[in-house]
Order: sequence, then structure tokens, then C-alpha cells
Amino acid sequence: GDSVTQMEGPVTLSEEAFLTINCTYTATGYPSLFWYVQYPGEGLQLLLKATKADDKGSNKGFEATYRKETTSFHLEKGSVQVSDSAVYFCALSDRIQGAQKLVFGQGTRLTINP
Amino acid sequence: GAVVSQHPSRVICKSGTSVKIECRSLDFQATTMFWYRQFPKKSLMLMATSNEGSKATYEQGVEKDKFLINHASLTLSTLTVTSAHPEDSSFYICSARQQTYTDTQYFGPGTRLTVL
Repeated sequence: GDSVTQMEGPVTLSEEAFLTINCTYTATGYPSLFWYVQYPGEGLQLLLKATKADDKGSNKGFEATYRKETTSFHLEKGSVQVSDSAVYFCALSDRIQGAQKLVFGQGTRLTINP
Repeated sequence: GAVVSQHPSRVICKSGTSVKIECRSLDFQATTMFWYRQFPKKSLMLMATSNEGSKATYEQGVEKDKFLINHASLTLSTLTVTSAHPEDSSFYICSARQQTYTDTQYFGPGTRLTVL
């Protein structure tokens, strides 16, 4: 079945460091890909998405490119801030047994130190 | 836009009682709502999908008689945990999809359920 694999956390970086969180997927169809972020004590927020190969999603300085050839959707940010500390979830949306469903990765906890 | 609320945000109940959690789409009509469960430091597990006016579709392994879902209107879905037990303690999150042919879901802030 469909699945999403994220790099193991937790990830701890210093402010202004470069961030990469790896995400790979397996899917039977042609899924859309998402990154969601969950700040402490809050629900999930859509960070960015991409719906087809080579699309780049971007928001708040974060970027991710839909790479069909490597089945990847890695999240990057050039210079992280303390406020980026959160849990990041990679997800895909695919039609599974006739219904459009989201499949999540296990989440990566990111901590940014000042 | 696309705001989803949940109520209550936290609930503590005694074992054997039932708890109802509400999920509302505040500024859009949600043709489909989803209920997830999130265990500590784990990912979200889809419990069920509900379409307005029809019965919910439960994922394998989720007891439909224990987790009752009602989607009575295009802006409200409820999850009732019946005869709750300590192992039902978890973070329950709902999401809503605005249109049938879109794949973006908007999530509520979650409800922390603690069963004593």
C-alpha cells in the first residue's frame, strides 16, 4: 500500500542553519504531496504542497520539489529561525480503495536553538 | 480562510462514560470530514471518513460501535467515544475537505482526551 517515510528525528539546529528533512514515498497512483507543520500545542497546518512532478511548493521560506524519478519530496529552508521549532509531517494524498486519503509519515521533530 | 475548529480542546472523563467531540468548518462547507488519532510522538492514524448525510467509512481495525461518527451538516461532524477506557486516551484530530475533487485537508487544533 501507499506509505511515506521521513528522516528520523529529532533534529536540532542552530538559528540560521540550513535545513533538510528527507521524505520519500511509495504510491500506487499519482499522488499529491504535502508538508504539514504542527507547532507545540496546536493542530496541523498545511505548509506547502505539490500536485505533479517537478512542481515546487514553497511557503514561509520553506521549499520542496516533487521528484517523481526518486519518489521524494524533501523539505528545505536556507536559514531557520527559533520559531520554526515544530513537528513536520510529510504526507501524500492518493485514491485508496476509491477514496481520496492522506497518508502521513511519522513526523520529524525540529528544534532550533538561538 | 479554511478554518476548522474542535470542541472541547481538552476533556477528562471517567472510565465507562461517553465523550462527544465536535468538529466544525467555520468559513466553508465541508463535503468530507476525517477523524484521526495521534499517539504520543507518533504520526496520525486515520480512523474514519465521513461524508455529509451518509454513514462514515471506518478504517480497518477501528471499532465503529465504539467510535460513533455523525456528519449531520456540511459544517459539523461529531465523534463520540462510547464507554471510554484508559486506552482510548489520545489526541483526536479532525480535518475537513472543502470540495469533492480537491485533495487538500484543513485540520482542527485537536482534542486531548484523558480517560481515568
